Amino acid sequence: DGGITQSPKYLFRKEGQNVTLSCEQNLNHDAMYWYRQDPGQGLRLIYYSQIVNDFQKGDIAEGYSVSREKKESFPLTVTSAQKNPTAFYLCASSAGSVGETQYFGPGTRLLVL
Amino acid sequence: SQQGEEDPQALSIQEGENATMNCSYKTSINNLQWYRQNSGRGLVHLILIRSNEREKHSGRLRVTLDTSKKSSSLLITASRAADTASYFCARETSGSRLTFGEGTQLTVNP
Repeated sequence: DGGITQSPKYLFRKEGQNVTLSCEQNLNHDAMYWYRQDPGQGLRLIYYSQIVNDFQKGDIAEGYSVSREKKESFPLTVTSAQKNPTAFYLCASSAGSVGETQYFGPGTRLLVL
Repeated sequence: SQQGEEDPQALSIQEGENATMNCSYKTSINNLQWYRQNSGRGLVHLILIRSNEREKHSGRLRVTLDTSKKSSSLLITASRAADTASYFCARETSGSRLTFGEGTQLTVNP
């Protein structure tokens, strides 16, 4: 899982609640990414950031928000607007240039109570 | 959309056999990467092949790329039970973004 940590490993959300997933990297990477994975499926990009204080929507950004105030941190908030949040969330980072490998964290499994 | 397909969706083989997984895509790529995911874990990078390369090796892994057919394959030779995992191809099409396929679930039986 390289130098990327995600916490918590499991997270429970109540109806109407916002929850925040943590992602930290010590690889000095410029780019960071958030993906969602549903059972038996591939990864879908939620948000990504190529530099501090800047981020872009991915393919499924609705109901999610992010911030990138520090190079090493890229937290993801799952808002109450996300009606089907149950999934496995993966954070990744890369040096940010074309053709770079992405390094993944261990993931956070979000469940709805 | 995932912009491509992987097949087979699932593959079950005996230890020692070779495993071949295929990945097709629809748009031009800068490079194509293969990743492995053990159940409930993050992804681990296996190999990257650039659009001007046709074949690449890493240990027991061999990746081919045919840009005219918009397809790639991953071959794992002399498979082991520890190779049991999901394998994903990921296309880099612009900037540093990757688009992942839906994966092939490989089971290697001892």
